[in-house]
Amino acid sequence: DTGVSQDPRHKITKRGQNVTFRCDPISEHNRLYWYRQTLGQGPEFLTYFQNEAQLEKSRLLSDRFSAERPKGSFSTLEIQRTEQGDSAMYLCASRETGAVYNEQFFGPGTRLTVL
Amino acid sequence: AQKVTQAQTEISVVEKEDVTLDCVYETRDTTYYLFWYKQPPSGELVFLIRRNSFDEQNEISGRYSWNFQKSTSSFNFTITASQVVDSAVYFCALRLGSGNTPLVFGKGTRLSVIA
Repeated sequence: DTGVSQDPRHKITKRGQNVTFRCDPISEHNRLYWYRQTLGQGPEFLTYFQNEAQLEKSRLLSDRFSAERPKGSFSTLEIQRTEQGDSAMYLCASRETGAVYNEQFFGPGTRLTVL
Repeated sequence: AQKVTQAQTEISVVEKEDVTLDCVYETRDTTYYLFWYKQPPSGELVFLIRRNSFDEQNEISGRYSWNFQKSTSSFNFTITASQVVDSAVYFCALRLGSGNTPLVFGKGTRLSVIA
């Protein structure tokens, strides 16, 4: 499978716990994006990487959120001290290097439930 | 700021009917890209089409067609002879042409096709 993959697909945690999600982009895609989608809403941008550099962060990304892409391949998104409001689907997307109009390809998402 | 409005929250049609999903966007930039994505119950966003702001040609792909009108800032999506497998949430999205900006999504339209 050469698509974007995300792990885990589902995560249930208790409030206050830390969670970490992983995203493996399509190989050779140097641009990687994280989005968050809550029920009944469209995805909202969280952060973006070009290779290993984190180039943009949304105001939605509070201090409890951190994202990394250490070798410019896979990325991790960590949420510390989770809150019930963090319950959402976390989507990862990657985009091919080159033409600015290239579309983003999305992974299946990680659905987080904070109890 | 950029904004995408999908005024139809939910649409229900009987199989074989035609259905049009509306999308209205707002941006002050002259270079931008418009997208439609499909999100089936499995959750993964599936890319359907991309259009740039300089290309107002309408496009047809099988049962799908798109009508882009800059005069009304609309990018509507029509499914002809709908099928049950078309049931999903459809998102319209906008991305500016400058740099590697993220996608701005509408809230989506849930389409239910009844057999």
